[in-house]
Amino acid sequence: GEDVEQSLFLSVREGDSSVINCTYTDSSSTYLYWYKQEPGAGLQLLTYIFSNMDMKQDQRLTVLLNKKDKHLSLRIADTQTGDSAIYFCAETHRGGGGNKLTFGTGTQLKVEL
Amino acid sequence: EPEVTQTPSHQVTQMGQEVILRCVPISNHLYFYWYRQILGQKVEFLVSFYNNEISEKSEIFDDQFSVERPDGSNFTLKIRSTKLEDSAMYFCASLGVGETQYFGPGTRLLVL
Repeated sequence: GEDVEQSLFLSVREGDSSVINCTYTDSSSTYLYWYKQEPGAGLQLLTYIFSNMDMKQDQRLTVLLNKKDKHLSLRIADTQTGDSAIYFCAETHRGGGGNKLTFGTGTQLKVEL
Repeated sequence: EPEVTQTPSHQVTQMGQEVILRCVPISNHLYFYWYRQILGQKVEFLVSFYNNEISEKSEIFDDQFSVERPDGSNFTLKIRSTKLEDSAMYFCASLGVGETQYFGPGTRLLVL
């Protein structure tokens, strides 16, 4: 079955860039997502990328996709304390319509002053 | 901006009791989902629902679970006889024409 893995923790200083990595096993993944979860809160969609793209930029966020290595990363530029949260990558295949998301384990990002 | 809402935000129940978790998806969305997240673990898919029927379910979604869209706005998850291991955060999500699922804030269920 599908599997999505992430490192558990990342600590950065405010103002630095953060890079959160994710690997997945399903070669038929078509969409890959990044969600943010703040303590006690729900899942906020940050961005997503279609599998025929290798990069997507949205303000401070840059998503890189290496489909050959099945590796996805999320770069947050100028990381702020408000970025402290758990970040989940997720994948779906055969298009997003109706298909379940498979989530990674989540990476806890801690931003220090 | 439209959003998915869920009620209640917290529910405490006794083992063996039935619970119903409620969700109001985004109004023009067609696909509906339930996921759960046991404390400290990853978010797991439970079930997807389209055109008034289940389109996919996971092995977690056994006979104790059921879903229903009783009217044009609500989407419910029922657990018939709760177990201790059902304690988790339950998220509802909905999907429209696009490719992104939008999640509600979750219901935290505690089974004692």
